[in-house]
Amino acid sequence: EPEVTQTPSHQVTQMGQEVILRCVPISNHLYFYWYRQILGQKVEFLVSFYNNEISEKSEIFDDQFSVERPDGSNFTLKIRSTKLEDSAMYFCASSAQGAQSYGYTFGSGTRLTVV
Amino acid sequence: AQSVSQHNHHVILSEAASLELGCNYSYGGTVNLFWYVQYPGQHLQLLLKYFSGDPLVKGIKGFEAEFIKSKFSFNLRKPSVQWSDTAEYFCAVTNTGGFKTIFGAGTRLFVKA
Repeated sequence: EPEVTQTPSHQVTQMGQEVILRCVPISNHLYFYWYRQILGQKVEFLVSFYNNEISEKSEIFDDQFSVERPDGSNFTLKIRSTKLEDSAMYFCASSAQGAQSYGYTFGSGTRLTVV
Repeated sequence: AQSVSQHNHHVILSEAASLELGCNYSYGGTVNLFWYVQYPGQHLQLLLKYFSGDPLVKGIKGFEAEFIKSKFSFNLRKPSVQWSDTAEYFCAVTNTGGFKTIFGAGTRLFVKA
């Protein structure tokens, strides 16, 4: 069964540093997403990406964050100048069509710890 | 704004007991509804989904959910739970034509063997 792959599984970084979280979506999927889950809290939408541009983003997704699909297979989330409150589980997801059609396939997540 | 409410944060059941997890959403338009499951140490997996048609949808592992439009509800049910159903369950809503999905806070289910 096709999978969404995320690397690394766990990233520890110092406050103020930049991190890049990587995702390889399912190859024939067209829509890509990042969600995060702070420990004990809801899964929160960050951003959706289609046709090489952001299609929707939440209020969480401010200038500190950016996404990129650099080479047609990877889909990255960059967090500039990390803060303690960025510590969370970050999930990448992809779907063949819009989220409403099929639901997502999620990756296993990257646990980001900012110290 | 859209929101999703899950009534129970923690549920403890014995094996073979019946399960019903409540989910209500607020949105005036047409929605698509999902239940996701997250087993301990694993990623979110789609359990079942509703787009249109028969309001009773069946998913994997014997789960089903019923969409009641008048009540804005999409409750998850299973007639007889197993120890392996221990997981966190998330109800989620996407408005038709939208890109983002709103998740409920999740319900942690623990099934005693």
